[in-house]
Amino acid sequence: DAGVTQSPTHLIKTRGQQVTLRCSPKSGHDTVSWYQQALGQGPQFIFQYYEEEERQRGNFPDRFSGHQFPNYSSELNVNALLLGDSALYLCASSLGTVNTEAFFGQGTRLTVV
Amino acid sequence: TQLLEQSPQFLSIQEGENLTVYCNSSSVFSSLQWYRQEPGEGPVLLVTVVTGGEVKKLKRLTFQFGDARKDSSLHITAAQPGDTGLYLCAGAATGGFKTIFGAGTRLFVKA
Repeated sequence: DAGVTQSPTHLIKTRGQQVTLRCSPKSGHDTVSWYQQALGQGPQFIFQYYEEEERQRGNFPDRFSGHQFPNYSSELNVNALLLGDSALYLCASSLGTVNTEAFFGQGTRLTVV
Repeated sequence: TQLLEQSPQFLSIQEGENLTVYCNSSSVFSSLQWYRQEPGEGPVLLVTVVTGGEVKKLKRLTFQFGDARKDSSLHITAAQPGDTGLYLCAGAATGGFKTIFGAGTRLFVKA
């Protein structure tokens, strides 16, 4: 049973570019949440997708957008990259009910230069 | 704004010592989770506590949820080098979808 998988594992982008990160949830899970984790910090909630819709959003600008597909996989898009967007981006999957346990992927390390 | 404050931020101890990590908030949580994260990896779920006053044990790790469901603690007995990592507490308010994380406690256990 595959857990949460994210791609790519590492990425280097130039300031101003756009990036798309991908996530496949754990088998049987229908909810995907995205987090940004800066070095030395805890993960910060970006948004959560359920039934192909954004269910809740954290304090992130509109440059951060997402999508969930019918097979529950998800993408995180970041436009107009800034140096400060450099971080580990984590995807977590869970079941649709609230406050259930989340399982994380290994993350995508994004470096903006 | 909901916040989860973890203490201490950093802990360096000798193998065999005991330690306690704290997670505190002014908000009430329907549940709290504890995760452990290795460098370059995603967090791995250790336990979920749901009921106020609940105590859960996982081998040498003991987790407690405060009676008012605003705080939690993680106690490690006889720490081993393999316990080294970043310990994160996380939770969501009752009825909420947004899970917030503490900043974490970085534990280093020396052999």
